[in-house]
Amino acid sequence: NAGVTQTPKFQVLKTGQSMTLQCAQDMNHNSMYWYRQDPGMGLRLIYYSASEGTTDKGEVPNGYNVSRLNKREFSLRLESAAPSQTSVYFCASSEALGPLAPSTDTQYFGPGTRLTVL
Amino acid sequence: SQELEQSPQSLIVQEGKNLTINCTSSKTLYGLYWYKQKYGEGLIFLMMLQKGGEEKSHEKITAKLDEKKQQSSLHITASQPSHAGIYLCGAELAGTASKLTFGTGTRLQVTL
Repeated sequence: NAGVTQTPKFQVLKTGQSMTLQCAQDMNHNSMYWYRQDPGMGLRLIYYSASEGTTDKGEVPNGYNVSRLNKREFSLRLESAAPSQTSVYFCASSEALGPLAPSTDTQYFGPGTRLTVL
Repeated sequence: SQELEQSPQSLIVQEGKNLTINCTSSKTLYGLYWYKQKYGEGLIFLMMLQKGGEEKSHEKITAKLDEKKQQSSLHITASQPSHAGIYLCGAELAGTASKLTFGTGTRLQVTL
């Protein structure tokens, strides 16, 4: 099992460009998450999907869109990149089903995408 | 202010020494997770604590959740260079329904 995979690993964009970060998991997990990690801020949740076909905003959703393409895949799109979106982006998945699932489900993380917006 | 505070922010210890990292919140912690991140890599799950007073160990790493479920500590015994990295605590805080909040991390360096 590959676990959680993310592409690309690195990306440099110019302000205003768009791109999609891809995430896939092969653990048959129900929930998937997108986080960004910035120095001194820790990990912050951007969007999550508690089940196939549903998505919800996290702590910092502005400037991003997501698509839960199927149970395996959860993509994050930047429509018009800004320098403030320079960050490391992590995708994660867990077995949890639904937004009120008990907190016993471990989230497994991908290797991250390092994005720089010039 | 951070809802989940980690301390210290960074730590340099000599190989063989013990160390403790703390994770504190003013809210009740549900499902407290500890992760390790190697520089430039993803997060590796270490352990998860749920019940007040719970303690778990994996090799030389022990994590505890206090009885009030507002503070957790991660203790490393006889540190080794392989323990170097960034340690992150994450938890579902009371009232945040299944979303994890993370601390800012503790950067650990182990010197020879």
